[in-house]
Amino acid sequence: AQTVTQSQPEMSVQEAETVTLSCTYDTSESDYYLFWYKQPPSRQMILVIRQEAYKQQNATENRFSVNFQKAAKSFSLKISDSQLGDAAMYFCAYRSAVAGAQKLVFGQGTRLTINP
Amino acid sequence: EPEVTQTPSHQVTQMGQEVILRCVPISNHLYFYWYRQILGQKVEFLVSFYNNEISEKSEIFDDQFSVERPDGSNFTLKIRSTKLEDSAMYFCASSLSSVTKGTFFGQGTRLTVV
Repeated sequence: AQTVTQSQPEMSVQEAETVTLSCTYDTSESDYYLFWYKQPPSRQMILVIRQEAYKQQNATENRFSVNFQKAAKSFSLKISDSQLGDAAMYFCAYRSAVAGAQKLVFGQGTRLTINP
Repeated sequence: EPEVTQTPSHQVTQMGQEVILRCVPISNHLYFYWYRQILGQKVEFLVSFYNNEISEKSEIFDDQFSVERPDGSNFTLKIRSTKLEDSAMYFCASSLSSVTKGTFFGQGTRLTVV
């Protein structure tokens, strides 16, 4: 079974600075998808960014980018120019690419605080 | 922008009672899910539903849980006899057949069992 580990329960960063959230995963599969979700105080789960394992190029979405290291099974999220609205829980998630396997496996989450 | 909607936003029920949580997935999506999040813990997969049947379920999804798509738009989760430990946030989600668009979540239903 696949597992996802986020080793940083909490992180904080100054507004306008850059922060990196760590995520590692364990799988025996070669093809899969990785995601970062944001959960603000409203507790809704919001998709931030996704990465296909077969792509070597790291995904980017505006101020959000990932560092995907397939051999190391590492998938970190970098937030540039941090804003107060970025404060939230961030969850890393794994999804198999096997046909019919659609569930997401989540990490424990990292609570990000933005200091003004 | 299309979104997944869930009702109610908060449900309080007495232990032993049955509850039904309701969801309207994004209209052109084909896969539907329920996840739960106990306060302070990670999000856990319960069940996935495709082509009018369960495609995958976790060990959490025991006989007290059931899902249904009674019409072309709603997707429900029923808990037959609630227990205190069922108190959690329940998220409905949906996705297209292609994973490249990701899985989209509703705003959640907070279930409190007293």
